[in-house]
Amino acid sequence: GESVGLHLPTLSVQEGDNSIINCAYSNSASDYFIWYKQESGKGPQFIIDIRSNMDKRQGQRVTVLLNKTVKHLSLQIAATQPGDSAVYFCAETPGANSKLTFGKGITLSVRP
Amino acid sequence: EAQVTQNPRYLITVTGKKLTVTCSQNMNHEYMSWYRQDPGLGLRQIYYSMNVEVTDKGDVPEGYKVSRKEKRNFPLILESPSPNQTSLYFCASSTDFLFRQFFGPGTRLTVL
Repeated sequence: GESVGLHLPTLSVQEGDNSIINCAYSNSASDYFIWYKQESGKGPQFIIDIRSNMDKRQGQRVTVLLNKTVKHLSLQIAATQPGDSAVYFCAETPGANSKLTFGKGITLSVRP
Repeated sequence: EAQVTQNPRYLITVTGKKLTVTCSQNMNHEYMSWYRQDPGLGLRQIYYSMNVEVTDKGDVPEGYKVSRKEKRNFPLILESPSPNQTSLYFCASSTDFLFRQFFGPGTRLTVL
């Protein structure tokens, strides 16, 4: 498959443990934040999103936390599985009619 | 099956030889976008389209053209490709501007 994770930071976790992937953003005007997952050889896939008027949102096995004070976003994955191995991107935008800016990505590697 | 398709998936060409990468979506999405992905730089938006006959520049539009004559198609045109356009290209579509985009499988372009 295509390699897109070259020179990216890597987080290695044991299967079954919880994973926390962090992202710092710089635009204080950003209103909407999204996490994408990209498996080898595939395009990014939407995981979960959160608006700036929230500080936490939960999905299936995933939780996104937003700390606007320090401009920090995190993705928590519960009971990490081998299928969670991928590159994870955060993205931010001030909202409609504004561009979407992606972070550089973090590689999650799950040890069996 | 709801999907975004891109063709070709792989292309090797030479400097100056015009090429087109096609993108098609079957979800009746209004919004479509093109990104390029390079190691260490993440995903960068090239062009986007809010609807038929409406296109706008993203972060890195130089050397690219797009058109949106039909809702489902959004081709990316390189009139005179150069080696610095060697990259992995993704097309994406969504119902809302930028939000929850569906990505295509990617096109690996090499310009010699």
